[in-house]
Amino acid sequence: AQSVTQLGSHVSVSEGALVLLRCNYSSSVPPYLFWYVQYPNQGLQLLLKYTTGATLVKGINGFEAEFKKSETSFHLTKPSAHMSDAAEYFCAVSYFSGNTGKLIFGQGTTLQVKP
Amino acid sequence: KAGVTQTPRYLIKTRGQQVTLSCSPISGHRSVSWYQQTPGQGLQFLFEYFSETQRNKGNFPGRFSGRQFSNSRSEMNVSTLELGDSALYLCASSIGTGVEKLFFGSGTQLSVL
Repeated sequence: AQSVTQLGSHVSVSEGALVLLRCNYSSSVPPYLFWYVQYPNQGLQLLLKYTTGATLVKGINGFEAEFKKSETSFHLTKPSAHMSDAAEYFCAVSYFSGNTGKLIFGQGTTLQVKP
Repeated sequence: KAGVTQTPRYLIKTRGQQVTLSCSPISGHRSVSWYQQTPGQGLQFLFEYFSETQRNKGNFPGRFSGRQFSNSRSEMNVSTLELGDSALYLCASSIGTGVEKLFFGSGTQLSVL
């Protein structure tokens, strides 16, 4: 079955430090890949997505992710964490080229940013 | 442009009852998807509607159903509620063609007592 694994349910970094959130998917067929962020009591907001083309994808709020087919990974990074980055982050995949209504989500990673 | 609107925001029901949740997508969006979010199972896809037709369906029992109206607004219904149905139900809309982003509402928090 298709699945998404996010390593680490909780990640804690200091303000200004590098953020690295890990995501691996299980499929021999490259899917479409997404990172979403969820702030408390809110819905999800798209940070970035990979469909085709350049494997390094830049998103909003200084985040970026690199698609590595050989490692079936799509890790999310940000060079310098800000207090406002504290939230829950979800990696998701879609195997449907015709629409993105159906996404398979990872279990989520809660990012804590310490002052 | 108004975002995705879900009503009600909170709902408390008892076992055996049924519930209807509503979702108004962003103007011009024809696809509406529903997700269930729980601490144990995470985010799970329920179903997707596009132009009033169910286009995709997740692995949920038949107690979970939905529909979409001609103005793209969508409702989901859960009959014979169980304690395990307590969750945040999220609705997301998109244009519906190609690989575009999903826009999520803030969700309806359902508690089943």
